[in-house]
Parts: sequence; C-alpha cells; structure tokens
Amino acid sequence: KNEVEQSPQNLTAQEGEFITINCSYSVGISALHWLQQHPGGGIVSLFMLSSGKKKHGRLIATINIQEKHSSLHITASHPRDSAVYICAVRYNFNKFYFGSGTKLNVKP
Amino acid sequence: NAGVTQTPKFQVLKTGQSMTLQCAQDMNHEYMSWYRQDPGMGLRLIHYSVGAGITDQGEVPNGYNVSRSTTEDFPLRLLSAAPSQTSVYFCASSYDRVSAYNEQFFGPGTRLTVL
Repeated sequence: KNEVEQSPQNLTAQEGEFITINCSYSVGISALHWLQQHPGGGIVSLFMLSSGKKKHGRLIATINIQEKHSSLHITASHPRDSAVYICAVRYNFNKFYFGSGTKLNVKP
Repeated sequence: NAGVTQTPKFQVLKTGQSMTLQCAQDMNHEYMSWYRQDPGMGLRLIHYSVGAGITDQGEVPNGYNVSRSTTEDFPLRLLSAAPSQTSVYFCASSYDRVSAYNEQFFGPGTRLTVL
C-alpha cells in the first residue's frame, strides 16, 4: 500500500511547455514537501506547504487538504528542469512518506 | 557551512560484514534521519532522531542501528549486511523537531552494494 502516489511516473516535454505533476496521499499530514532530485542524485527541497499555494520563480505548488492532493506546476519549462520530482508528506511531525517520483525530461 | 555530509560515497560489502555509514551536519539541527532509496520506490525512513540521545524507528528499521551522541553526528550501523540492504542511503537534517515547516537538507548519498 502506497501512502503517497504520484503521476505521471515519467514525463517528456518540449522546452517552453507548461508541466503539471500530481501527488495524492492517504494519511493525515502536517505538511507536504516537494523535492527535486538531480541526475547526479542530490536532493533539494523546493516547497513546504500545508494549505493554498506557493510560488518560487517558474515553480508553483498547490495543495487541497480536503481532497488530499497536491500539484507541482512548472511554467515555461527548460532542459535544466530535467530531474526527478518527489512528493513527501510529513505525518506525526517526525515521520515522512515519499512518493516514488516523477522523472521529467525537457527536450530543447 | 558544509551542510550535511556523508561518508563513504560508495561501498561494497560481502554478506555478513558490518559497517557504519557516517552522517554529519554543521547547522545545529535537532532533527536527523536516514532513508534508503530503491529503484521504483520512494525514499523510506529507516531511523530518525529528534536530538542528542533520542532516536526512534521509521518505516524499515530492521537490520540497522543508530545512535546520536552529539547534535552533529548520526551514524547508521549495519551489523550483518544482507543483499537486501543494497540501496542508496541518504541522511537528512532539519532545524526544528516540532515545526512541520522546516526544510529538510539532504546529504549526497551513499551507494551501498552487498554481494
């Protein structure tokens, strides 16, 4: 049983396209995180949110607590956005469940 | 600041051998954790610590031990390695054990192969 489901698993886009990655979860959470894993393996945190919407540059993250769903949008995608995007939910304050990731490839 | 550091970057073990994966952070973070990442699966929490002297189990703790004697260090011990422990291991830390909104900082990972 996966507490966090992401879709799609793989995504190929042309440079400039608008991209959406979805995350659904089944547990009560205190916060949801979006992470980016670079091709070299390093992981960085993009967003933390528990309600509404956050924007950072070309990235936008939204969450609907009632529907237990979050989306990550990338506007005007660029080849440097190619990475694995991971959704993680924090529950019981100290524990995390992670989705299996969405592998994004943006072609020039 | 070096952030979160992990050593070694790569390791090959034989079944039954023991080893310790090292993790250190220089940000005075309370919360530290260990994850394993396997192909096709999300990161899974092995053990975590909310401060020096305090550790607890995560989702997949069997076969692993941890201790936290200082704020900075959180080593992960494999007492008797098994092929099922072949994985990439990540250590992470965040500032506050209470707030849900703390960014997690990840180490570069250790790729472990058990033959």
